[in-house]
Amino acid sequence: GDSVTQMEGPVTLSEEAFLTINCTYTATGYPSLFWYVQYPGEGLQLLLKATKADDKGSNKGFEATYRKETTSFHLEKGSVQVSDSAVYFCALSDQGDYKLSFGAGTTVTVRA
Amino acid sequence: ETGVTQTPRHLVMGMTNKKSLKCEQHLGHNAMYWYKQSAKKPLELMFVYSLEERVENNSVPSRFSPECPNSSHLFLHLHTLQPEDSALYLCASSQKPGGPSVNYGYTFGSGTRLTVV
Repeated sequence: GDSVTQMEGPVTLSEEAFLTINCTYTATGYPSLFWYVQYPGEGLQLLLKATKADDKGSNKGFEATYRKETTSFHLEKGSVQVSDSAVYFCALSDQGDYKLSFGAGTTVTVRA
Repeated sequence: ETGVTQTPRHLVMGMTNKKSLKCEQHLGHNAMYWYKQSAKKPLELMFVYSLEERVENNSVPSRFSPECPNSSHLFLHLHTLQPEDSALYLCASSQKPGGPSVNYGYTFGSGTRLTVV
């Protein structure tokens, strides 16, 4: 079945540091890939998405590239801020399937 | 505001109480979901409704009873809960394949923080 594996946290960074959160997936078809973010006390919000190989999703300074050859969708940000402290979830939906498979989430804390 | 509204935001209930969580979406989506998020655990999919029919029930105890009266509303009825049921309950909606959107990502509500005492 479809599954997503993302790096375990927690991750603690200083402001302006570079952030990478690794995500790899297993799927039978051609999935769409997503990153969701959950700020403290809130629900999940869609951060970015990519629907086919080599697509790059980007939003709020975050980027992730759909790499079919390595089945990966790593999240990156060049210079994090304290406001980026949150839990980040990688997810996929396989072609023709409306259900999302989520990774376990990675907690990121950015210190001033 | 994401387009998916959950009420109440916070709920404290005793183990013998009956309460309901409400979710409402005005995005034209036709699939809705209940998730449970407990501390230090992955998201647990509880129920899936597609076109108002329950299509998935992941072995959830019968003290949780979902209801989907139409494509815009989803309820989770709670009865004789246990303290371990305390969690953040998240509702989400999406477009079922064949709909107008090619993005099958979910839109989540802000959740109901449930505490069972």
